[in-house]
Amino acid sequence: AQKITQTQPGMFVQEKEAVTLDCTYDTSDPSYGLFWYKQPSSGEMIFLIYQGSYDQQNATEGRYSLNFQKARKSANLVISASQLGDSAMYFCAMKASGGSYIPTFGRGTSLIVHP
Amino acid sequence: DSGVTQTPKHLITATGQRVTLRCSPRSGDLSVYWYQQSLDQGLQFLIQYYNGEERAKGNILERFSAQQFPDLHSELNLSSLELGDSALYFCASSVDPSGKGTGELFFGEGSRLTVL
Repeated sequence: AQKITQTQPGMFVQEKEAVTLDCTYDTSDPSYGLFWYKQPSSGEMIFLIYQGSYDQQNATEGRYSLNFQKARKSANLVISASQLGDSAMYFCAMKASGGSYIPTFGRGTSLIVHP
Repeated sequence: DSGVTQTPKHLITATGQRVTLRCSPRSGDLSVYWYQQSLDQGLQFLIQYYNGEERAKGNILERFSAQQFPDLHSELNLSSLELGDSALYFCASSVDPSGKGTGELFFGEGSRLTVL
């Protein structure tokens, strides 16, 4: 069975600073993918970044980067230069062959960016 | 805009009633997923369809059913509604039929169901 754990229910960061949102996963499958989604207060789910288990380099998308540590089974999201618009819920998700490649989501982390 | 359209955006109904939620996937996406998001359960996978056929089933109650039509839109039917069914229901689509590739899910804005 696959499992995603996000241990930080809430995080606060000052505008323009960097913040790391934690995500650990558990799977016995050698092939899997990890995602991060953002859910603002309006409710929609916005895809941010993807990391494949065989990718050699950490994924980056603009101000978002994924700190992938395979041995530790962690896939932390790093947001650089935080903006007020980054305030939202952030969800880590994983898909693997054992779960028929259906994404399983963590419980989320609420990020609040202070001016 | 993800390209996935869900209707209605909000729905208020009474216990025991039946509702239908509709989803149009992104143009070209054959795979549709339904998720339920509630405060106590988080985001739970309900069911996946690919090109009209059921592909995977998650924690979907027997009172709930879904289908995908030839034009690829999908409907989620919720019947004998209970207070606990109040949630945000998401539809998502993907270009990757098997789910093995890097293709992410594109989510609609969700249908917020309130059961009174």
